[in-house]
Amino acid sequence: EIVLTQSPATLSLSPGERATLSCRASQSVGSYLAWYQQKPGQAPRLLIYDASNRATGVPARFSGSGSGTDFTLTISSLEPEDFAVYYCQQRSNWPPITFGPGTKVDIK
Amino acid sequence: EVQLVESGGGLVKPGGSLRLSCAASGFTFNSYSMNWVRQAPGKGLEWVSSISYSSSDIYYADSVKGRFTISRDNAKNSLYLQMNSLRAEDTAVYYCARDISTRPLFDSWGQGTLVTVSS
Repeated sequence: EIVLTQSPATLSLSPGERATLSCRASQSVGSYLAWYQQKPGQAPRLLIYDASNRATGVPARFSGSGSGTDFTLTISSLEPEDFAVYYCQQRSNWPPITFGPGTKVDIK
Repeated sequence: EVQLVESGGGLVKPGGSLRLSCAASGFTFNSYSMNWVRQAPGKGLEWVSSISYSSSDIYYADSVKGRFTISRDNAKNSLYLQMNSLRAEDTAVYYCARDISTRPLFDSWGQGTLVTVSS
């Protein structure tokens, strides 16, 4: 089973600041890494797939990078609606499909 | 517009059973694999089970294998999760999610249904 770790657990930032979230895999997942955003009381929303491709309707301020075992989700300038929890998910080697534990981006 | 609506959650005693349903609309249901993903209160996402479009391929997380059964009825555009021998650790919001790739990628999710296992 591929284990995903995310850091930091919590990121406290102000609107307008840049957010950099990390996801590390226990073994290579190639580029098969996705990012989801989840707001309180809502279902997750697909943001990024295959490490760097934005899903339909996702603003350009969200970008993803990385390959192999190390991945980054960057939010270039935080908007008020971006404060949420972000999860990474690998789809390289499954089952099981695995998610990271999440990074919470909250308002400083 | 893609819509996924879960139902069937509720309070059940340990050892009990529950059947979740997910009604799909707005897309060609029989063309997509479907999944159940759960989230315990205050915790992260945990994949539970996957079923291919034709039901020929079915997978389960080890934590539910032998207790849960995923199924679908393409004629009714519906996905199901039969949950038996429920445990306290099965308490979670259960989401159905559409898979848009040959490798799991979830582009649409329902609003979730809460399952609480408690005596």
